[in-house]
Amino acid sequence: AQKVTQAQTEISVVEKEDVTLDCVYETRDTTYYLFWYKQPPSGELVFLIRRNSFDEQNEISGRYSWNFQKSTSSFNFTITASQVVDSAVYFCALSDYSGNTGKLIFGQGTTLQVKP
Amino acid sequence: GAVVSQHPSRVICKSGTSVKIECRSLDFQATTMFWYRQFPKQSLMLMATSNEGSKATYEQGVEKDKFLINHASLTLSTLTVTSAHPEDSSFYICSARGVGNTEAFFGQGTRLTVV
Repeated sequence: AQKVTQAQTEISVVEKEDVTLDCVYETRDTTYYLFWYKQPPSGELVFLIRRNSFDEQNEISGRYSWNFQKSTSSFNFTITASQVVDSAVYFCALSDYSGNTGKLIFGQGTTLQVKP
Repeated sequence: GAVVSQHPSRVICKSGTSVKIECRSLDFQATTMFWYRQFPKQSLMLMATSNEGSKATYEQGVEKDKFLINHASLTLSTLTVTSAHPEDSSFYICSARGVGNTEAFFGQGTRLTVV
């Protein structure tokens, strides 16, 4: 069975601190996709990144970076120099690869509060 | 980019009434649409998958007679919550995937409150 675990329910940091959001996944598939989404208070899901299981290269996009470690089934997300606007709920998600189904298994989410 | 529009964004209805939520793909043909539900401070759970022109596939535990899904065209899927009860109050969000796409794109979501 597929499962995504985000062990950190809530994280609070002060602006400009770096923060890492953890994500651990379980799947029997050898190929799969991993995602991160941001959900601000308004509710919409903002797509941040998609990574396929073939690509273990770390990725950096501005203040965001992602560390994919297949050996530990983890896909952690780091925000550098956090800002108040980063306050939101962040979801890690997993989908299978076959047929590109788009069905996502979400983690429980991590609420990030960045204080000024 | 791919745009998915969901309407309404918020709806309040009385217990026992039905409410319809629309999910439209604006700039691509959505062969598959997904409906998720999110209770307050919880994660998103897939309710059902619908393919254009065929019956929706519901996840375990989701009542198909209560949550009617119609995907009659390549740009529109609707979710109708029938005989709504306060426990159906939730955030409903759809996503749509086109032919050859490797990801689905999310609508803005609908916050349903049943009073």
